[in-house]
Amino acid sequence: KAGVTQTPRYLIKTRGQQVTLSCSPISGHRSVSWYQQTPGQGLQFLFEYFSETQRNKGNFPGRFSGRQFSNSRSEMNVSTLELGDSALYLCASSFGPPGAEAFFGQGTRLTVV
Amino acid sequence: AQSVTQPDIHITVSEGASLELRCNYSYGATPYLFWYVQSPGQGLQLLLKYFSGDTLVQGIKGFEAEFKRSQSSFNLRKPSVHWSDAAEYFCAVGFMEYGNKLVFGAGTILRVKS
Repeated sequence: KAGVTQTPRYLIKTRGQQVTLSCSPISGHRSVSWYQQTPGQGLQFLFEYFSETQRNKGNFPGRFSGRQFSNSRSEMNVSTLELGDSALYLCASSFGPPGAEAFFGQGTRLTVV
Repeated sequence: AQSVTQPDIHITVSEGASLELRCNYSYGATPYLFWYVQSPGQGLQLLLKYFSGDTLVQGIKGFEAEFKRSQSSFNLRKPSVHWSDAAEYFCAVGFMEYGNKLVFGAGTILRVKS
């Protein structure tokens, strides 16, 4: 079966712009989580969506937001981009119950200049 | 707050030698425990997981890990390392009350020398 698909793979944006990243989970999976990975902070949890509802949220400013659609596809948005937002953004898909195995996409590499 | 510690940032082992990567977590109850591997520019691949039961779990690619409640540890082991095992390894914990949120350690970069 198809894996987790993240688009686009690479993005270059300018400070102050906004960006939207997309994640298509594995078919049948209802939970989508987002993570930010940077060399300095490592892997940090952004938020999780389950059945179109945000179930958990990490410690990120309100510039980071997300949503999930009825087909479980998810988008995350970052507004007013800062240089420090440059990172690999990873999406993880799982069936739903806590502790279920998470399958990761290859990520979107965002560079803010 | 939950935390995961991987004390070794880099480890170098010879091909064919054994490997142990350390992981300690801080949390009151028993969490779900995972080990993931990441190759450069790629996403994360699950190696193995522990939920409950037998404290020695087997994973893919010949890896195993042992959960020790008394030490709050979940160390990853492999008896004989192959050059293709060179990658970054992440320990992660999850908690029933936090859905599918995972807290990751800082990672250990494994280098394999021939």
